[in-house]
Amino acid sequence: GESVGLHLPTLSVQEGDNSIINCAYSNSASDYFIWYKQESGKGPQFIIDIRSNMDKRQGQRVTVLLNKTVKHLSLQIAATQPGDSAVYFCAESANDMRFGAGTRLTVKP
Amino acid sequence: GAVVSQHPSWVICKSGTSVKIECRSLDFQATTMFWYRQFPKQSLMLMATSNEGSKATYEQGVEKDKFLINHASLTLSTLTVTSAHPEDSSFYICSARDWAMGWTQYFGPGTRLLVL
Repeated sequence: GESVGLHLPTLSVQEGDNSIINCAYSNSASDYFIWYKQESGKGPQFIIDIRSNMDKRQGQRVTVLLNKTVKHLSLQIAATQPGDSAVYFCAESANDMRFGAGTRLTVKP
Repeated sequence: GAVVSQHPSWVICKSGTSVKIECRSLDFQATTMFWYRQFPKQSLMLMATSNEGSKATYEQGVEKDKFLINHASLTLSTLTVTSAHPEDSSFYICSARDWAMGWTQYFGPGTRLLVL
């Protein structure tokens, strides 16, 4: 069936390095995507979104890339900091807020 | 803006009792609210979707008589876990959306439930 999924369950990076978190989606009807960050014991926080008529969107230290051809979404975090350690989820509009497994990002000092 | 609160933030109860969790949108009107549960080291599992003034739509496998959802106003939804058992212990998270603001959902801080 249609699904939103994350390629990797865990990602460990050195502080200061860039991080790339990937997400695969399979519902071509999705026209809106969101990345969320969830810190331990807290609810998810909105990070950045992108519409399907765009292939790139930048925020503060974060960039989301959308490749509709291969149904792939990625979140890039520049100069990763310890405060970026969290689980990251992507969500797609056609799969109304059903989350994939998430990727746990660990930042090593 | 777009703040969602939950109350209580944590609750401990005895097996067989009922627990009510409140979810409020503080600075916007939530036409739709969602309830999730999350077990340790797992993703969020959607339990139900509710639109203001309507009955909630439950996900497959979620017992509607056990998890009672009321969305009586545009700023408040409640989840009542009836006759709670230890296996209901989990992290419950709500989210809210106002279509006038777009598709984005805003999440509450979560409620940790421990049933003894």
